[in-house]
Amino acid sequence: GAVVSQHPSWVICKSGTSVKIECRSLDFQATTMFWYRQFPKQSLMLMATSNEGSKATYEQGVEKDKFLINHASLTLSTLTVTSAHPEDSSFYICSARDIFGDREAFFGQGTRLTVV
Amino acid sequence: AQTVTQSQPEMSVQEAETVTLSCTYDTSESDYYLFWYKQPPSRQMILVIRQEAYKQQNATENRFSVNFQKAAKSFSLKISDSQLGDAAMYFCASQGTYKYIFGTGTRLKVLA
Repeated sequence: GAVVSQHPSWVICKSGTSVKIECRSLDFQATTMFWYRQFPKQSLMLMATSNEGSKATYEQGVEKDKFLINHASLTLSTLTVTSAHPEDSSFYICSARDIFGDREAFFGQGTRLTVV
Repeated sequence: AQTVTQSQPEMSVQEAETVTLSCTYDTSESDYYLFWYKQPPSRQMILVIRQEAYKQQNATENRFSVNFQKAAKSFSLKISDSQLGDAAMYFCASQGTYKYIFGTGTRLKVLA
């Protein structure tokens, strides 16, 4: 089956620093990748949709300058949390759609970010 | 706009029994898919079952089946012969042309 690898699985960073999270589709090409944020015991909240070679589409209320998304190739999208603060601590999940597939999206294993 | 509503924050079922999780949705799109995902404590999202909106026949995957009522915009999940390994958070999701939108989830407990 289709595999999406997300890295790192967990990261701890100091307040004010930036953190990059990678999302790779290992055995398929993905024109569209989605980034979600999940707070404890809550649902997945869509942050942005990234399309290969173009700017990401951010959901209302998501700060574009804080959460930088780059989708430079058909197999890699990155989310950079800039100038991280403790309130950015959360679980971040990416998913990707196969360019040749149907609507199903495949999920990475998620990244737990802790800002201290 | 797309919305997905799960009105049951938590459900319990006895092992080997059947349980139904509810989901309602709203979308302005005519072409969409509906999904149920399972999220165990590892937090990896696992696809349980999916339904293409244009198909009238309800989807079935082994012990999992859906009751898709398009006019009522209802998409419930039935788990038969519940097993301890079914215990998890279950999310209903709607996927239109671009967006995947999730409901708030239902925590399923399976009692031995």
